[in-house]
Amino acid sequence: GNSVTQMEGPVTLSEEAFLTINCTYTATGYPSLFWYVQYPGEGLQLLLKATKADDKGSNKGFEATYRKETTSFHLEKGSVQVSDSAVYFCALRQVNNNDMRFGAGTRLTVKP
Amino acid sequence: DTAVSQTPKYLVTQMGNDKSIKCEQNLGHDTMYWYKQDSKKFLKIMFSYNNKELIINETVPNRFSPKSPDKAHLNLHINSLELGDSAVYFCASEGGRTGELFFGEGSRLTVL
Repeated sequence: GNSVTQMEGPVTLSEEAFLTINCTYTATGYPSLFWYVQYPGEGLQLLLKATKADDKGSNKGFEATYRKETTSFHLEKGSVQVSDSAVYFCALRQVNNNDMRFGAGTRLTVKP
Repeated sequence: DTAVSQTPKYLVTQMGNDKSIKCEQNLGHDTMYWYKQDSKKFLKIMFSYNNKELIINETVPNRFSPKSPDKAHLNLHINSLELGDSAVYFCASEGGRTGELFFGEGSRLTVL
C-alpha cells in the first residue's frame, strides 16, 4: 500500500542553521507529494507540494524536490528561524484518490 | 471568519459516555475529512465525505459514526467512549483535488 516514512525527531537547531527533514515514500504510479506544517495549538496547513517527478515545491524559504529515482521528497531550508519551530508532516496522495497519507511527523525546535 | 471550525475545542468525559464533535466549513468545499492524531502526533484518516456521500471509511470501530447533514458540515459521534479514544480529532476540508486540505484547530478529547 501507499505509505510515507519521514525521519524521526525531534530535531533541534540553532537559528540560521540549515535544515533537512528526510521523507521517502512507497507507492505505485505517480503520486502527488506534500509537506504540511503544524504550529503549536493549530491544525495542519499546506507548506508546499509537487505533483510530478523533478518538480520542486517551495514556500517561505522551504523547498522540496520530487525525486522518483530515490522515491524521496526531502524538505530543506537554508536558514531556519525561531518561528519555524513546528511539527512537519510529509504526505502522499494517489491520483483519483481522496486518501491523503501522512507521515509520522517531525518536530523541529529552533533555538535563538 | 474561521474557515474550518470545530466544537468543542476541549472535551473531558468518562468512559462509556457518548459524545459528539461538530465541524463546519465556510469555504464552499465539497470534501470533508476526519483525522485522529494520537499523543505522538501520528495522523490517521478516519472518514472522508464528498458532497454528503461517504468516500473513505478506514478501519475504525463502529462506535464512531460520522454524519454529514449538508456539504458544509461533518459531525463525528462517538458511542461508549474508551480510554484509547483520547486524542486530538481534526476536521479538514478540500475544494476540488488540489491536495490542499484546510484543517480546523482540533478537538482534544480526554477520556477518564
